[in-house]
Amino acid sequence: GENVEQHPSTLSVQEGDSAVIKCTYSDSASNYFPWYKQELGKRPQLIIDIRSNVGEKKDQRIAVTLNKTAKHFSLHITETQPEDSAVYFCAARYSGNTPLVFGKGTRLSVIA
Amino acid sequence: ETGVTQSPTHLIKTRGQQVTLRCSSQSGHNTVSWYQQALGQGPQFIFQYYREEENGRGNFPPRFSGLQFPNYSSELNVNALELDDSALYLCASSNPRDGYTFGSGTRLTVV
Repeated sequence: GENVEQHPSTLSVQEGDSAVIKCTYSDSASNYFPWYKQELGKRPQLIIDIRSNVGEKKDQRIAVTLNKTAKHFSLHITETQPEDSAVYFCAARYSGNTPLVFGKGTRLSVIA
Repeated sequence: ETGVTQSPTHLIKTRGQQVTLRCSSQSGHNTVSWYQQALGQGPQFIFQYYREEENGRGNFPPRFSGLQFPNYSSELNVNALELDDSALYLCASSNPRDGYTFGSGTRLTVV
């Protein structure tokens, strides 16, 4: 089955700097890669996703890149703000009705 | 606001008891997945239902069982509760085109 590894487990950046979180997956058939943000005590919220037919996707300060050959994908947050502080999870799945497999999460702290 | 609702929001049970958690799916979504999230961990897949049939299961014992109803809402049942079952239980609905939409979760504490 699919296995998703996520690094780093914790990340501290200064406000205004960029943050990068990386994930690798094991199943080359995986074709959907979402990223979720989870604030303390709240549900995971989808912030961006990418499908295997594209290499990069951007939404304002957030971008995701996908390297299918290397089987890894990354989340990039630019101009970080204190409200970006949360736990971020990557996930992968290989078809529309198979379950999402999550990484273990990255706790991002943005220091003002 | 998300269309996925879970009930109850919090629950305290005694070891050995049974519990039922409920989830309503977002309109247009025919798949419901259940996840267990222990403190400080990522969500762990329990099982998934598609059109009332279980079509995937994670590494959880048989005392974790579920149902999906014709309106695509779902239940998660856990028998013989153990202390390690204490966690946030998340339900997510989806369809092949969309991403997962999570409910707010049920926080279960087993004492």
